[in-house]
Amino acid sequence: DAGVTQSPTHLIKTRGQQVTLRCSPKSGHDTVSWYQQALGQGPQFIFQYYEEEERQRGNFPDRFSGHQFPNYSSELNVNALLLGDSALYLCASSGKTQYFGPGTRLLVL
Amino acid sequence: GQQLNQSPQSMFIQEGEDVSMNCTSSSIFNTWLWYKQDPGEGPVLLIALYKAGELTSNGRLTAQFGITRKDSFLNISASIPSDVGIYFCAATNAGGTSYGKLTFGQGTILTVHP
Repeated sequence: DAGVTQSPTHLIKTRGQQVTLRCSPKSGHDTVSWYQQALGQGPQFIFQYYEEEERQRGNFPDRFSGHQFPNYSSELNVNALLLGDSALYLCASSGKTQYFGPGTRLLVL
Repeated sequence: GQQLNQSPQSMFIQEGEDVSMNCTSSSIFNTWLWYKQDPGEGPVLLIALYKAGELTSNGRLTAQFGITRKDSFLNISASIPSDVGIYFCAATNAGGTSYGKLTFGQGTILTVHP
């Protein structure tokens, strides 16, 4: 049984570009959450998707958007990248317990 | 916004020693969680606490959900080198069968000297 998977593992972009990160939840999980983890910090909640709808949102600008597909997989899109968007982006899927994927390391130059 | 205050920020201990870390909040939560994160990986759930006053163990790990619902602690007994990593507390007020937003502490970096 595969756990939460994310792609790509690493990504380098330049300021102003757009990026799409992908997540496949653990089998049987229908809820996907995205977190941003800056270096040396705890993860910060971006938003959560359930039944293809954004159910909760953290304190992130509209440049951060997402999508959930019928198979429960999800995408995180970030537009107009800033240097400060450099971070580890974590996806978590949940049923009764929330499991995290390995993350995508984004570097914005 | 809501924040969890986790302490200590870092610990340097000898193998075999016991470790204690804690987490406090100004807000009430109905679920407290402890995660461990190794370099280059996502957080891995260690212990979940669902009831105020609950004391739960997972091997050498023991965690408690404070009776005020505003704090939690994690103890590791007889530390070993593979305990090295970053430990995070997290809390949520999710209802039903699925977690809502998790709020995380700043993490405790644990180093174990053989």
